[in-house]
Amino acid sequence: DTGVSQDPRHKITKRGQNVTFRCDPISEHNRLYWYRQTLGQGPEFLTYFQNEAQLEKSRLLSDRFSAERPKGSFSTLEIQRTEQGDSAMYLCASSLAGPGPSSPLHFGNGTRLTVT
Amino acid sequence: DQQVKQNSPSLSVQEGRISILNCDYTNSMFDYFLWYKKYPAEGPTFLISISSIKDKNEDGRFTVFLNKSAKHLSLHIVPSQPGDSAVYFCAASGSGGSNYKLTFGKGTLLTVNP
Repeated sequence: DTGVSQDPRHKITKRGQNVTFRCDPISEHNRLYWYRQTLGQGPEFLTYFQNEAQLEKSRLLSDRFSAERPKGSFSTLEIQRTEQGDSAMYLCASSLAGPGPSSPLHFGNGTRLTVT
Repeated sequence: DQQVKQNSPSLSVQEGRISILNCDYTNSMFDYFLWYKKYPAEGPTFLISISSIKDKNEDGRFTVFLNKSAKHLSLHIVPSQPGDSAVYFCAASGSGGSNYKLTFGKGTLLTVNP
């Protein structure tokens, strides 16, 4: 179990640029989630995948955000035309199913995005 | 609309004493509750969970208590150690069709003093 891996750890970009983040979940986990955390807040749900299917998107996920999980393995989160309000920690998590008593979410260390 | 509330932004305790972190929720559809610990520059780490069919779950130094009628849960750490110093998040999820999403509180910063 190598844990959930996210890349890059930090990203600084100028307003209006596009950015893409990658997440590699724990290999046997079929559910993958993206959350966003801003200063002083808890993580907020953005979207989740069961295998390769994106089953739910939060209204926090504007049209500038898109997530994919080709072949049900790694996932990417792309933000187009970044805005300063997009600055946050983007967390990826995975689980076997649930979340439930036998399947909590396991988080990666996140990608910290700074939009200047 | 904050469905999961952690009203204490911070808590300071002495090493060896008990730490009690509190969490309240408003959504009666929540039936699974978790505590996560987060160190700076790291992602949240799962600590302990409890299902709504139970009122207590214990794992080593960590015990979570659930009071469904009061919509309140608490995390007890005994004895507290300096390495426990971190931000603790309470989280909840619903059953059935909404069981995929965790709703988090804002967190409580625990400082354990040697």
